[in-house]
Amino acid sequence: AQSVTQPDIHITVSEGASLELRCNYSYGATPYLFWYVQSPGQGLQLLLKYFSGDTLVQGIKGFEAEFKRSQSSFNLRKPSVHWSDAAEYFCAVEPRGSTLGRLYFGRGTQLTVWP
Amino acid sequence: DAGITQSPRYKITETGRQVTLMCHQTWSHSYMFWYRQDLGHGLRLIYYSAAADITDKGEVPDGYVVSRSKTENFPLTLESATRSQTSVYFCASSRPADTQYFGPGTRLTVL
Repeated sequence: AQSVTQPDIHITVSEGASLELRCNYSYGATPYLFWYVQSPGQGLQLLLKYFSGDTLVQGIKGFEAEFKRSQSSFNLRKPSVHWSDAAEYFCAVEPRGSTLGRLYFGRGTQLTVWP
Repeated sequence: DAGITQSPRYKITETGRQVTLMCHQTWSHSYMFWYRQDLGHGLRLIYYSAAADITDKGEVPDGYVVSRSKTENFPLTLESATRSQTSVYFCASSRPADTQYFGPGTRLTVL
């Protein structure tokens, strides 16, 4: 079955530590891939996206993600986390050739940052 | 201001009442979407629209109605609200084959 999996519901890191949020997908062909961030009480903001080409994608706020075809993964990373990064992070996919750019979301990973 | 807005931001209603959530975007994006966000489910697509007067069902359309008479507006109506429709609702818009941009959300409580 087609799915987007974020295995970690909640992650806690110390400020200044590195971060990796996992995302795996299950689709027939490599979909378009996205990471969104949602701060409390806010809408979703796009961090980065992968359509094709270089498998290491740079985004806003110092985030990057690496697409690994062999693992069907698109993990989000940040070398040094800031307290303002505390938020919920969603991985999303858009199957290639899908109708109207429909997005399918993972269930989200809540990030807590300790000072 | 330019962008995508939703109104109201918060709404409390009672079971059985009709409720309409508004979504307005100023980018002239042809595609618009309605999602609901529930704990443990992420975001799920309710309805989407390719252009004015073109709409289609998403994953969880039951109990909802949409219309799109103008490109910039995409209202979502709960014809007879139920407690299971208590949720946070997000509207989004995009150009074809481009990034979706999300509104700030409407928190709906059905008592």
